[in-house]
Amino acid sequence: QKEVEQDPGPLSVPEGAIVSLNCTYSNSAFQYFMWYRQYSRKGPELLMYTYSSGNKEDGRFTAQVDKSSKYISLFIRDSQPSDSATYLCAMKLTGGGNKLTFGTGTQLKVEL
Amino acid sequence: DTGVSQDPRHKITKRGQNVTFRCDPISEHNRLYWYRQTLGQGPEFLTYFQNEAQLEKSRLLSDRFSAERPKGSFSTLEIQRTEQGDSAMYLCASSLTGDEQYFGPGTRLTVT
Repeated sequence: QKEVEQDPGPLSVPEGAIVSLNCTYSNSAFQYFMWYRQYSRKGPELLMYTYSSGNKEDGRFTAQVDKSSKYISLFIRDSQPSDSATYLCAMKLTGGGNKLTFGTGTQLKVEL
Repeated sequence: DTGVSQDPRHKITKRGQNVTFRCDPISEHNRLYWYRQTLGQGPEFLTYFQNEAQLEKSRLLSDRFSAERPKGSFSTLEIQRTEQGDSAMYLCASSLTGDEQYFGPGTRLTVT
């Protein structure tokens, strides 16, 4: 079983929809959570970073963390065709761990 | 403000040849990371530098792989005697605090 599970999709939504992307994890030592966006053949781009349970909002993006359920989500409001990409969740251990552990990524397509 | 840069962007090599990739981190970022990403998967951690010291290496980093960061600025990743299984995207990331990691565009390696 992987430490971080993420549905690979693909997920197809109409323009303007609210998108919900999710990851679950098994290691309760993960304390730092990120979401990256990756366009085809490009490097991952950091979207959101959080370390506490609850919600964090940045423009059209909201990151949600539920440490008790070991579950994180990324919500995208008013989705646009330019949001079409692969979304990767990533996590980092507390206590000085440096590496990020990624999910497999969810491929999102926003259609006109 | 320039981001992380990597060179080359794409490398095609024959099995058994040696290859070297370069990463230039964001200036003033003392932490530098190498990851490998295969198709349909999230990036996997390879190694981590703080300044010029290599502080962490993954078990994925076999003895054919070596990474350096001689002056605490740019880093190189060398793969000796390449194998077809080495074909992947090699990603470099840098960080100031160790929390938010910013990725470069990657070097796509194809071993024929």
